[in-house]
Amino acid sequence: DSGVTQTPKHLITATGQRVTLRCSPRSGDLSVYWYQQSLDQGLQFLIQYYNGEERAKGNILERFSAQQFPDLHSELNLSSLELGDSALYFCASSVRGTSGNHYNEQFFGPGTRLTVL
Amino acid sequence: GQQLNQSPQSMFIQEGEDVSMNCTSSSIFNTWLWYKQDPGEGPVLLIALYKAGELTSNGRLTAQFGITRKDSFLNISASIPSDVGIYFCAGNQFYFGTGTSLTVIP
Repeated sequence: DSGVTQTPKHLITATGQRVTLRCSPRSGDLSVYWYQQSLDQGLQFLIQYYNGEERAKGNILERFSAQQFPDLHSELNLSSLELGDSALYFCASSVRGTSGNHYNEQFFGPGTRLTVL
Repeated sequence: GQQLNQSPQSMFIQEGEDVSMNCTSSSIFNTWLWYKQDPGEGPVLLIALYKAGELTSNGRLTAQFGITRKDSFLNISASIPSDVGIYFCAGNQFYFGTGTSLTVIP
């Protein structure tokens, strides 16, 4: 158990719908990361937040948005869902963000499996 | 995003054998990381590398940061059944390879 929690574990929805995925980081971790893992794409970095502010952005679609709240939990919002959005969505947390080139170990949650029908 | 090529895509080996896998990139990275993912779980960090040429071990695992900073290698010695899983490389923390699926036959 990494200490990172994600809800829900599974989510089934229809095309065009909007969903919210939730992540609670490990106690004391200030930074949260979101990743998408699909069969044909591997793990794709979406976005990082540090202490409530956006720190880095990856291949996140405009239909997707995220935020980190004052209590440090984070939500990933996916809207106008398409079949291709079906994937595992992982949240990870670390104590800090990045500091230059130094890596702060990320601890991954168990993921949310999203199925778009 | 930056593309990391990981090979082999899958491996089937006998228990006790050594395993080698690698990751290459067209871009230079300052950090190389290796993760293992078990079914139904998130990736877990195995080894982090910070300097070109660095060789780091974690038990039966050894990883190297390539001199060119465009590649990295992971070796597993004397494989055991619990080594089964998908191994990912990651460059500069955010850019992941496509994974190597390892099956260990008892």
